[in-house]
Amino acid sequence: RKEVEQDPGPFNVPEGATVAFNCTYSNSASQSFFWYRQDCRKEPKLLMSVYSSGNEDGRFTAQLNRASQYISLLIRDSKLSDSATYLCVVIVGGSGNTGKLIFGQGTTLQVKP
Amino acid sequence: ETGVTQTPRHLVMGMTNKKSLKCEQHLGHNAMYWYKQSAKKPLELMFVYSLEERVENNSVPSRFSPECPNSSHLFLHLHTLQPEDSALYLCASSQDPGRETQYFGPGTRLLVL
Repeated sequence: RKEVEQDPGPFNVPEGATVAFNCTYSNSASQSFFWYRQDCRKEPKLLMSVYSSGNEDGRFTAQLNRASQYISLLIRDSKLSDSATYLCVVIVGGSGNTGKLIFGQGTTLQVKP
Repeated sequence: ETGVTQTPRHLVMGMTNKKSLKCEQHLGHNAMYWYKQSAKKPLELMFVYSLEERVENNSVPSRFSPECPNSSHLFLHLHTLQPEDSALYLCASSQDPGRETQYFGPGTRLLVL
């Protein structure tokens, strides 16, 4: 079983749609969780952290379910510029400066006009 | 953004060649990383350096040899590579090892013939 698993997609949605991505992780000792975004032929960049209580950043909402070992990212009112691959990232091992980042394969989103 | 730079951006090499990839970070970070990104696969962590000392080597074949002469520079020396080593090689840095906010360079797209 992969340590971090995502549906690769692609998810094709019209502008203005709401879309949700899920991610599951296998290590119950995982400490921290994040979403990165990677545009086509570019490097990954941190999008947002995922907190236990859920958190929102504009049109983006991230949620964590530790019991089910599951993370989600919701994008409301999709824009063409949201088209990218969204990488689920988990820190395993220690926290702070001893943990290791594990990346999921990524979920590709294509927003159509 | 020029926080993390990588050269060359593209590289084609034969299986008997020796080449080096270079990464430089201008962020004052203490940790640097090499990742491999193959099509349809998650990012694979190859090496981690903290304050110029290698702290992790994820069972990478010896045909890949990292070098970290100082905290701002990281090299990946390549020799006798195989076609399956063709991938995008990404360098990243973070303030300390295991921190979620890793800043990636643009990558070197490598093709081994």
